[in-house]
Amino acid sequence: GENVEQHPSTLSVQEGDSAVIKCTYSDSASNYFPWYKQELGKRPQLIIDIRSNVGEKKDQRIAVTLNKTAKHFSLHITETQPEDSAVYFCAASIGGTSYGKLTFGQGTILTVHP
Amino acid sequence: ETGVTQTPRHLVMGMTNKKSLKCEQHLGHNAMYWYKQSAKKPLELMFVYSLEERVENNSVPSRFSPECPNSSHLFLHLHTLQPEDSALYLCASSQDRGVGELFFGEGSRLTVL
Repeated sequence: GENVEQHPSTLSVQEGDSAVIKCTYSDSASNYFPWYKQELGKRPQLIIDIRSNVGEKKDQRIAVTLNKTAKHFSLHITETQPEDSAVYFCAASIGGTSYGKLTFGQGTILTVHP
Repeated sequence: ETGVTQTPRHLVMGMTNKKSLKCEQHLGHNAMYWYKQSAKKPLELMFVYSLEERVENNSVPSRFSPECPNSSHLFLHLHTLQPEDSALYLCASSQDRGVGELFFGEGSRLTVL
């Protein structure tokens, strides 16, 4: 089955800096890669996703890049703010099958210091 | 009520107890999921239901028993649990059982004594 590795497990940055979280996946058939943000005591929420037919996607201060050849994808947050502090999870799945099943990474605890 | 709601939010039970977790979604989605979230581990998919039919049982011990009476409600029945089952149990739904955004509930924090 699919295996997703996420690094780093913790990331500490100063407000205004950029943050990058990287994930690798094992199944070359995976074609859908979402990122979820989970604030302390809250539910995970989708912040951005990318499909394998594109290499990059941006939404304001966040962007995701995908390298299908190397089987890795990354989340980039620019101009970080304290409210970006949360746990971020990457995931991968094979779409177009009879059902989708997301395999999640271990999570990255991001702390943005004011 | 909108979104995905879970009850109870916190549950403490002994190893011989029987309890149930409840999930309700008000989004008109066709697929519902149970995930287990343990400290320092990835979110683990437990069960998937699509249109009330179980389509996935991810090698979950039989002490966890799901029930989906209709497309809006999902239960997780718990019996003879072990302390290592203590975790946050998250319910989620999606429009269909294919890829797409998962909408999570706030979770039920379970402690097994």
